[in-house]
Amino acid sequence: ETGVTQSPTHLIKTRGQQVTLRCSSQSGHNTVSWYQQALGQGPQFIFQYYREEENGRGNFPPRFSGLQFPNYSSELNVNALELDDSALYLCASSLGRGRPELNTGELFFGEGSRLTVL
Amino acid sequence: RKEVEQDPGPFNVPEGATVAFNCTYSNSASQSFFWYRQDCRKEPKLLMSVYSSGNEDGRFTAQLNRASQYISLLIRDSKLSDSATYLCVVNEGGSYIPTFGRGTSLIVHP
Repeated sequence: ETGVTQSPTHLIKTRGQQVTLRCSSQSGHNTVSWYQQALGQGPQFIFQYYREEENGRGNFPPRFSGLQFPNYSSELNVNALELDDSALYLCASSLGRGRPELNTGELFFGEGSRLTVL
Repeated sequence: RKEVEQDPGPFNVPEGATVAFNCTYSNSASQSFFWYRQDCRKEPKLLMSVYSSGNEDGRFTAQLNRASQYISLLIRDSKLSDSATYLCVVNEGGSYIPTFGRGTSLIVHP
């Protein structure tokens, strides 16, 4: 196993509600990336956090926001949920941002949080 | 044009067959490349990195063609357990932000 844990594993919300997803990164990893994966699609990059700061953002609206904490764990928050937000949300931790000699580029994924919006 | 493109398949092959997937990328500044495997309703896991000189890991061979901006994955002697979705992943130089293709579905049947 990767050592990356996500919670909750499954949840159901209704349109307009808000959701917070959580991720604990693998020990020693300082970078966390969040991805949204709709059925039949590849993971789409939402944003990445490095040392508690957003390091990059994909094509997602501002109602998708995040945090990274000093222990490198992270949260993804989605406000005003829409039906199209139904997806698997994947958190991936990685090593080496700031340590390029160690960065193989490998991402270590958690099992994901499956969100259904009704 | 999508940054990373893959044929979604599915590729339906018998056990023992050889199958190849290609993936094209649009950013010529891309510097690192990977293949991930994703089983149904599970998270992606690294299958192999792709090096400029090409690399092999058992039945799996990955190659990079920078001039044509594509990478390939060859699977020899397919096993039933190879059935999965294979995701092509590309990192732009220095960005540390991997971009995924939509994946290619492989079904290996008896």
